[in-house]
Amino acid sequence: EAQVTQNPRYLITVTGKKLTVTCSQNMNHEYMSWYRQDPGLGLRQIYYSMNVEVTDKGDVPEGYKVSRKEKRNFPLILESPSPNQTSLYFCASSRQGEGTQYFGPGTRLLVL
Amino acid sequence: AQSVTQLGSHVSVSEGALVLLRCNYSSSVPPYLFWYVQYPNQGLQLLLKYTTGATLVKGINGFEAEFKKSETSFHLTKPSAHMSDAAEYFCAVSDRRDDKIIFGKGTRLHILP
Repeated sequence: EAQVTQNPRYLITVTGKKLTVTCSQNMNHEYMSWYRQDPGLGLRQIYYSMNVEVTDKGDVPEGYKVSRKEKRNFPLILESPSPNQTSLYFCASSRQGEGTQYFGPGTRLLVL
Repeated sequence: AQSVTQLGSHVSVSEGALVLLRCNYSSSVPPYLFWYVQYPNQGLQLLLKYTTGATLVKGINGFEAEFKKSETSFHLTKPSAHMSDAAEYFCAVSDRRDDKIIFGKGTRLHILP
């Protein structure tokens, strides 16, 4: 089944404790992206990747890191989480030029 | 720069009534346009998209949208609302030159019995 998977689905952590949210897709898509969703703000792009070893900042990159060492994986790293990073996070992927993005199920993060 | 405006953060309709969710966009080039739906505790799934050709686009679950270039609009409609349509709906635009999509802030659709 074609899908985007994220882990974990739910995470509670404390300020400053490094964490990684994994994202994997099995559709051989070139483009991958991370979004955060906050009430009243819609989805805002954090980082994106056009292909392996090619990443770039989105609209709200501060406090986040990403890497793209393999085509299928695009982990999101919070080196020192803060409470303002409490949010719902989505990973998405698409075939280059197609436009349609396919979303993972989301990761709900609470930073205390 | 591209942008998307969804009119109304909450819309309520009675079961069986017409659903109309409004979306206006700005883009300097011919856009790709999308509607996504998010059911509670789920990710986003594509309802429909416009790329080229016919301006009336049909999607899943009886939804459709019409691309109106002169009005820079891409409103979503469904003739008869069902309780299962209760969800949040996002309009989105892409400028075709890259794969970036800009999302609107979303409209939560409530269905009244």
